[in-house]
Amino acid sequence: GENVEQHPSTLSVQEGDSAVIKCTYSDSASNYFPWYKQELGKGPQLIIDIRSNVGEKKDQRIAVTLNKTAKHFSLHITETQPEDSAVYFCAASIGGTSYGKLTFGQGTILTVHP
Amino acid sequence: GAVVSQHPSWVICKSGTSVKIECRSLDFQATTMFWYRQFPKQSLMLMATSNEGSKATYEQGVEKDKFLINHASLTLSTLTVTSAHPEDSSFYICSAQLPRDSRYGYTFGSGTRLTVV
Repeated sequence: GENVEQHPSTLSVQEGDSAVIKCTYSDSASNYFPWYKQELGKGPQLIIDIRSNVGEKKDQRIAVTLNKTAKHFSLHITETQPEDSAVYFCAASIGGTSYGKLTFGQGTILTVHP
Repeated sequence: GAVVSQHPSWVICKSGTSVKIECRSLDFQATTMFWYRQFPKQSLMLMATSNEGSKATYEQGVEKDKFLINHASLTLSTLTVTSAHPEDSSFYICSAQLPRDSRYGYTFGSGTRLTVV
């Protein structure tokens, strides 16, 4: 089955700096890659996603890049703010007529220091 | 849109009792739902996939007699932890697969913190 590896496990940055989280996946059939932000005691919230027919996607301060050949994708957060502090998860699934089950990375604890 | 409501948000129960967690899709029909378990500082681990009107498919290592999943309607899936023990204490999260024409693939509930004493 699919295996998703995520790095780093913890990331500490100063407010205003950029943060980058990287993930690799094993199943070349995976074609849907969402990123989630999870705050303590809450369910995951989608922050951005990308499909395999696109190499990069941006939404304000958040961007995701995908390299299908290397089977890795990355989350980029620019101009970080203290409220960006949370746990971030990457995930992968095979989507076709419907979306299959998601496989999650191990998570990254992001701390943004004021 | 595409909201999943999960209840309760937290529950404390005694060892040996059963606890039911509900997951409702409020504004769409959820043919497929997923149940996850999350231990502190760990990732989400898929427990099972439930399809409306059929038996759930459990991941390897998950006891189906202990974690009963029912998906009897297109808007409700339930997870019942039977004969709960302290080691069942965890954060349980449901997720619904969104319809094909949706912009996104999935939506998640807010989670249930189960503590077994």
